[in-house]
Amino acid sequence: DTEVTQTPKHLVMGMTNKKSLKCEQHMGHRAMYWYKQKAKKPPELMFVYSYEKLSINESVPSRFSPECPNSSLLNLHLHALQPEDSALYLCASSQDRGAKNIQYFGAGTRLSVL
Amino acid sequence: QKEVEQDPGPLSVPEGAIVSLNCTYSNSAFQYFMWYRQYSRKGPELLMYTYSSGNKEDGRFTAQVDKSSKYISLFIRDSQPSDSATYLCAMSGTGFQKLVFGTGTRLLVSP
Repeated sequence: DTEVTQTPKHLVMGMTNKKSLKCEQHMGHRAMYWYKQKAKKPPELMFVYSYEKLSINESVPSRFSPECPNSSLLNLHLHALQPEDSALYLCASSQDRGAKNIQYFGAGTRLSVL
Repeated sequence: QKEVEQDPGPLSVPEGAIVSLNCTYSNSAFQYFMWYRQYSRKGPELLMYTYSSGNKEDGRFTAQVDKSSKYISLFIRDSQPSDSATYLCAMSGTGFQKLVFGTGTRLLVSP
């Protein structure tokens, strides 16, 4: 089973709202990732968690706040977003950040900011 | 120059054709090479991955890596309309965490 589950599938929020995206995997993977993808572009890395610790933050604005409660779960907390933040948000996981960086993606959350 | 170059297409072929998708790269430290298929408004699905050089076959799909030329390919035999999607190549080095993606090639297979 190579499944990464993301909820919700779709989210519409206003610029003053606070919402959270959730991601779950049960493959025993110890690295988890958040990516942002705009239309007709490849995914852009936002954050990497390795063994539940934040190891990479790609200079993402503070209105995006990641959290890794345990090795299977990853959250992305959203606050005071801008319309340009509308995109497909993807979660991925891999066995380890080291030797075998083969990443499996979830179906994504399509976010619209009004 | 981008680290990974991929023709965005679209590539249009008739059903049953053999499709060749390619990427070139500049970083000789890359060791893992992946192909993802992405349908519109969905997440990327891992199709195949190879480590270092060589070929790998899975059903109608064959992945090839030529590290001396810094060139990777994905071949699709007997293409089907359901293969219509965007194909992303991605690569990383051992110990790296960041996948470097190509821009994706949009493939259209007509019945």
